Amino acid sequence: QKEVEQDPGPLSVPEGAIVSLNCTYSNSAFQYFMWYRQYSRKGPELLMYTYSSGNKEDGRFTAQVDKSSKYISLFIRDSQPSDSATYLCAMRKGVTGFQKLVFGTGTRLLVSP
Amino acid sequence: NAGVTQTPKFQVLKTGQSMTLQCAQDMNHNSMYWYRQDPGMGLRLIYYSASEGTTDKGEVPNGYNVSRLNKREFSLRLESAAPSQTSVYFCASSDDNEQFFGPGTRLTVL
Repeated sequence: QKEVEQDPGPLSVPEGAIVSLNCTYSNSAFQYFMWYRQYSRKGPELLMYTYSSGNKEDGRFTAQVDKSSKYISLFIRDSQPSDSATYLCAMRKGVTGFQKLVFGTGTRLLVSP
Repeated sequence: NAGVTQTPKFQVLKTGQSMTLQCAQDMNHNSMYWYRQDPGMGLRLIYYSASEGTTDKGEVPNGYNVSRLNKREFSLRLESAAPSQTSVYFCASSDDNEQFFGPGTRLTVL
């Protein structure tokens, strides 16, 4: 079993829809959770991160962590065609200092005009 | 600031050939990483360097070697390429919180 599971999609939605992207994990030691966005033929770029359970909002994006269920989510409101990309969740055990990241396989999102 | 740069962008090799993928960062980061990305497999760590002068194996190190040339540069070498090494390779560097990725190298081994 992989430490981090993520549905590969693709997830197709119309412009303006609310998108929910999710990851589950098995290791309760993970404390630091991130979402990366990767456009086609580009490197991943950090979108959001959070240290603990609860919600964190940044514009149209909300990251949610439920440590009791070992489940993290990324919500995108008012989705745009420019949001079409692959979204990778990532997590690590330590909050500070050097730590290796464990990535999900990524969910491909397609937002149609 | 160029961030993380990688060369080459594309490469085609024949089985058994060798090559070195180059990576450099200008953000003064201590840590650097090499990943490969394959469909359905996500990003898998090949090797990493937590600080200048140290390197360690990641999840899939077989068939690869690395050199941390200095704080800026971290190279990945394939001594005898195999078709299973066909992939997209990403270099990354990090501060305490965030990993920054390069644009990737698309490698095909025939």
